[in-house]
Amino acid sequence: GENVEQHPSTLSVQEGDSAVIKCTYSDSASNYFPWYKQELGKRPQLIIDIRSNVGEKKDQRIAVTLNKTAKHFSLHITETQPEDSAVYFCAARQGAQKLVFGQGTRLTINP
Amino acid sequence: DTGVSQNPRHKITKRGQNVTFRCDPISEHNRLYWYRQTLGQGPEFLTYFQNEAQLEKSRLLSDRFSAERPKGSFSTLEIQRTEQGDSAMYLCASRHGFETVNTEAFFGQGTRLTVV
Repeated sequence: GENVEQHPSTLSVQEGDSAVIKCTYSDSASNYFPWYKQELGKRPQLIIDIRSNVGEKKDQRIAVTLNKTAKHFSLHITETQPEDSAVYFCAARQGAQKLVFGQGTRLTINP
Repeated sequence: DTGVSQNPRHKITKRGQNVTFRCDPISEHNRLYWYRQTLGQGPEFLTYFQNEAQLEKSRLLSDRFSAERPKGSFSTLEIQRTEQGDSAMYLCASRHGFETVNTEAFFGQGTRLTVV
């Protein structure tokens, strides 16, 4: 079955700097890769997703890149703000199957 | 609120007792998923339904766990003879699933179970 590894587990950056979180997956059949943000005590919420037919997607300060050959994808947050502090999860899914999540990255933005 | 709704939000129970959680998905979402999340970890898949049919169960789901979605709308997750290791956040998610189209899964706020 699918296995998703996420790094780093914690990340601390200065406000205004960029943050990058990386994930690798094992099942080459996976074709959908979402990123969720989870604030303390709240539900995971989708912030961006990418499908296997594209290599990059951007939404304002957030971007995701996908390398199908290497089976890894990354989340890029630019011009970080204090409200970006949260736990971020990557996930992978093949077709109609379930999402398999990474272990999470706790991002802290220092003012 | 028209999102995914879970009840109760918190449950404290004594070891050995049975508990039942409820999930009301977004209306017309045919796929419903249950996940378990422990502190500092990503959500772990437990089981999922397409309409009323339970299509997959994780090996994490021991015979003490059972889930139902009798009419293809709300779902219940029951844990019998709870153990301290069952303490976790139980998350429900739903989406409108098509075989060839990947759609977003929306999560509920979860039920936090504490077994004492």
